[in-house]
Amino acid sequence: DTAVSQTPKYLVTQMGNDKSIKCEQNLGHDTMYWYKQDSKKFLKIMFSYNNKELIINETVPNRFSPKSPDKAHLNLHINSLELGDSAVYFCASSQEITTYEQYFGPGTRLTVT
Amino acid sequence: DQQVKQNSPSLSVQEGRISILNCDYTNSMFDYFLWYKKYPAEGPTFLISISSIKDKNEDGRFTVFLNKSAKHLSLHIVPSQPGDSAVYFCAASEQGGSEKLVFGKGTKLTVNP
Repeated sequence: DTAVSQTPKYLVTQMGNDKSIKCEQNLGHDTMYWYKQDSKKFLKIMFSYNNKELIINETVPNRFSPKSPDKAHLNLHINSLELGDSAVYFCASSQEITTYEQYFGPGTRLTVT
Repeated sequence: DQQVKQNSPSLSVQEGRISILNCDYTNSMFDYFLWYKKYPAEGPTFLISISSIKDKNEDGRFTVFLNKSAKHLSLHIVPSQPGDSAVYFCAASEQGGSEKLVFGKGTKLTVNP
């Protein structure tokens, strides 16, 4: 009975491809996030959505586009993948945008070759 | 520009002893701080938090101390157990500000039986 789930867990693809990572939460939370953990282990926020509305949009290449079809889902689409996109991507959710106790998914390890 | 710093990449302690994990921050606007624990191949899980109006918060074996003047916080685990072996991330936020969490690089704690 996973609270925040992500698919796939591993993703290996070639440069230039377009890929998507899906995220779903069954906690009834209003806010969802995407984080990137790079090779230096920093966990950095990319986007946040509150009730399907984009709230936080960090300085991320526009090749990355989040899509929230409903409150329980926040998918991440990445176009024209580059080597530097290789990282672990975490989805998270929280009750509200002002709630800092966030629940994280297990992560998706993306490897671009 | 690391606003949240965890200068010890690793820490090793004996079971039953105290574990002390440290975190420093540079942004004086941060007023809410959290610790997350992360096991391999899993997402971070929320552990404990503290608001800047307090200098201590305790939850079972876990206590977080905040020294605002030094811009320093620490997580104490007493007694340490082998199951506590994980990577611990310090995070900070500015309530009413950008509403995002800024994470440190993490400290890997190993508790030896």
